[in-house]
Amino acid sequence: GQNIDQPTEMTATEGAIVQINCTYQTSGFNGLFWYQQHAGEAPTFLSYNVLDGLEEKGRFSSFLSRSKGYSYLLLKELQMKDSASYLCAAPQAGTALIFGKGTTLSVSS
Amino acid sequence: GAVVSQHPSWVICKSGTSVKIECRSLDFQATTMFWYRQFPKQSLMLMATSNEGSKATYEQGVEKDKFLINHASLTLSTLTVTSAHPEDSSFYICSARDALAGDYNEQFFGPGTRLTVL
Repeated sequence: GQNIDQPTEMTATEGAIVQINCTYQTSGFNGLFWYQQHAGEAPTFLSYNVLDGLEEKGRFSSFLSRSKGYSYLLLKELQMKDSASYLCAAPQAGTALIFGKGTTLSVSS
Repeated sequence: GAVVSQHPSWVICKSGTSVKIECRSLDFQATTMFWYRQFPKQSLMLMATSNEGSKATYEQGVEKDKFLINHASLTLSTLTVTSAHPEDSSFYICSARDALAGDYNEQFFGPGTRLTVL
């Protein structure tokens, strides 16, 4: 089966850096996604990692270690608008995404 | 590109009635669409995989006779919640995968439909 774990909540201050970790166990590996979801809205795509290493995209970066079943999302220069839930997701057999429970990030001034 | 729409964005209905939610891929063809449900402060839970021209595949614990899925074309899937009850109140989100995406697994999400059953 598949299992995706991530912390439930995190807090940080504006301008800081925060790292959201995700560990996963999947039958087969087809990449790992990170999505951002604001309350009452659909998830929006942040990143997709299929190879080991760090991928940087502006203030957001995502890291993957396939051997460790581990990924993290790194958010730099935090802004208030970054307060949201961050979802780690992996495709199951076929293409449906299985989501972790999500990490609610609260950014304060 | 890669826009998915849902209609309606919100609906309130009486207990026992049926509600239909539409999911459309606007600028790409989707042989497969997915329906998720999200309860407050919880993550998205996959309900079913909708395949164009064939029967949907439901996840364990999801009643196929209650949640009817039809995927009649490459751009439209519908979810009908039959005989809705208050416990069906939730945020329903669809997603679609581009039929030409090959091995790339990105899915594009609709904006969601908030269902409230009184």
